[in-house]
Amino acid sequence: QSALTQPPSASGSPGQSVTISCTGTSSDVGGYNFVSWYQQPPGKAPKLMIFEVSKRPSGVPDRFSGSKSGNTASLTVSGLQAEDEAHYYCSSYAGGYSWVFGGGTKVTVL
Amino acid sequence: EAQLVESGGGLVQPGGSLRLSCAASGFIFNTYTMTWVRQVSGKGLESVAYISADSSAIDYADSVKGRFTISRDNAKNSVHLQMNSLRVEDTAVYYCARNTFWSFDIWGQGTLVTVSS
Repeated sequence: QSALTQPPSASGSPGQSVTISCTGTSSDVGGYNFVSWYQQPPGKAPKLMIFEVSKRPSGVPDRFSGSKSGNTASLTVSGLQAEDEAHYYCSSYAGGYSWVFGGGTKVTVL
Repeated sequence: EAQLVESGGGLVQPGGSLRLSCAASGFIFNTYTMTWVRQVSGKGLESVAYISADSSAIDYADSVKGRFTISRDNAKNSVHLQMNSLRVEDTAVYYCARNTFWSFDIWGQGTLVTVSS
């Protein structure tokens, strides 16, 4: 069982928006503004999409946005495109030298 | 371009040992902390070992503590994971990842470790 809870799946039609939740505790998500999100296409390595809750690395489209409220963080993908179909994982710093991850959400573009 | 390349994975019997290596290029390696993250097939990610830029701080997940050892060689731009007393449940793809802004911004392609008799 993963430390952070994500829905196993989410879907949307091209052009629509999809939002993925990531629920932790006050010891991780709720305690730090260090939530990050990763996109993992089948057979490939994870790719950083969002860091520090809502910041995008260079090269990540602004269709990807992040937010947090209390112990729950969210990733929203707007204007869904076929290339967005992948697994998405959230992660949070958990103090000391530790990080925790979610179990992953498979996003399907209908 | 920053890049990480893992090597050393393979098939090993329960109780055996394996040493993973990760070669870094394209960035100033000795200024970054590094982490080994593993992924069981079809499952989520787990951070298993962390090492600071100068090796002064090291930490492990409880699931591997006492069995795995992380180390780095800044002169050779590499980080290693010595895995002893391997168990079936250690079977996974192992990634090395660069830490920055409390996240993991660069990942290797991963190396598969299979523990089976």
